[in-house]
Amino acid sequence: DQQVKQNSPSLSVQEGRISILNCDYTNSMFDYFLWYKKYPAEGPTFLISISSIKDKNEDGRFTVFLNKSAKHLSLHIVPSQPGDSAVYFCAAYSPRSGNTGKLIFGQGTTLQVKP
Amino acid sequence: NAGVTQTPKFQVLKTGQSMTLQCAQDMNHNSMYWYRQDPGMGLRLIYYSASEGTTDKGEVPNGYNVSRLNKREFSLRLESAAPSQTSVYFCASSEDRIQPQHFGDGTRLSIL
Repeated sequence: DQQVKQNSPSLSVQEGRISILNCDYTNSMFDYFLWYKKYPAEGPTFLISISSIKDKNEDGRFTVFLNKSAKHLSLHIVPSQPGDSAVYFCAAYSPRSGNTGKLIFGQGTTLQVKP
Repeated sequence: NAGVTQTPKFQVLKTGQSMTLQCAQDMNHNSMYWYRQDPGMGLRLIYYSASEGTTDKGEVPNGYNVSRLNKREFSLRLESAAPSQTSVYFCASSEDRIQPQHFGDGTRLSIL
């Protein structure tokens, strides 16, 4: 039962264009969401987060959008750069669920930004 | 600037052998976590420790044990390794359970 789903295993975009990575979730108790980026042979690194009381959070070239009614979030990268090529994981957290400390990760989307 | 340090980086075991994966963080974080990453599965939580002296099961705890040795160190033990435990293991820490987690670079474990 995959509670957090990233349905696109891979995405390829041209340098300078927008990258849009999508994530869907099923558990309405999730109220805090994060995106992580992972390069090969390294651990994931935190990128950006959003609380369910917001619908948008922006940090430089990275913006996360949350649509609670659709249980959907997306990460926009504008403009995309070759160094953004990595695996991107979305993750969800439910502090009210009783399962404390439990981040649920999606399967990941591999982004390739072509020069 | 170490952050979260995992040892070893690579290990090959035979079925039935035991092994302890070590993890240490130098950020004075309260919470620590162990995940495994398998192809197409994302990261799945094995065990976590919300604070020193406490541990709790995650999504996939079977076949593993953990020890929160002190605030800095959180070890993962495989008592009798099985091929299904072949994976990349990541340790992470956070200031508390809602703050972003900081990850180590992983231990790639192969069990033959």
